[in-house]
Amino acid sequence: DTAVSQTPKYLVTQMGNDKSIKCEQNLGHDTMYWYKQDSKKFLKIMFSYNNKELIINETVPNRFSPKSPDKAHLNLHINSLELGDSAVYFCASRGARGFNEQFFGPGTRLTVL
Amino acid sequence: GEDVEQSLFLSVREGDSSVINCTYTDSSSTYLYWYKQEPGAGLQLLTYIFSNMDMKQDQRLTVLLNKKDKHLSLRIADTQTGDSAIYFCAESNQAGTALIFGKGTTLSVSS
Repeated sequence: DTAVSQTPKYLVTQMGNDKSIKCEQNLGHDTMYWYKQDSKKFLKIMFSYNNKELIINETVPNRFSPKSPDKAHLNLHINSLELGDSAVYFCASRGARGFNEQFFGPGTRLTVL
Repeated sequence: GEDVEQSLFLSVREGDSSVINCTYTDSSSTYLYWYKQEPGAGLQLLTYIFSNMDMKQDQRLTVLLNKKDKHLSLRIADTQTGDSAIYFCAESNQAGTALIFGKGTTLSVSS
């Protein structure tokens, strides 16, 4: 059983389009994250939700809007896509154990043409 | 703010030991972590160390922590080709709500 799943795995789209990436975790975790990994493999946190409430919102353009319909899901919607949005986007969830282990999804590779 | 630095590349021969180094800035981080990312996959927690420990050993992995110098290292003994991956050092942010990752060290193991 996949713990953290993301769809789609690959997304190729034109500049200016709007797209969504979905994430689901079946671990019963309260906290979920979106990370962006650029072409140099640098990983930066974008958002964090705890029990459907936004708790971290890094300096991300407001074209990016996360939505958490329930604590098992955290979706990422991106408006007016730009070339610089091309990256791999990872969803993660965090357990309640004290040492803050995060479980990552397989990633969604977004290519904006 | 919090920052984590690590060298970007390491190349070793199969059977040798690999040592990946990391420096961090936030001394309040209760735990420090090593994550591994294999090609085309997400990150997986490899090991972690509690901040009041100096060393943790787990099979082929040894983590050393020097709190005074804010230096963390990961030693992989008898490195195998399957260890080729990107290794990320991470600390918690001050609020304890997120992880701050280093830029990742790409380990390349040749046979």
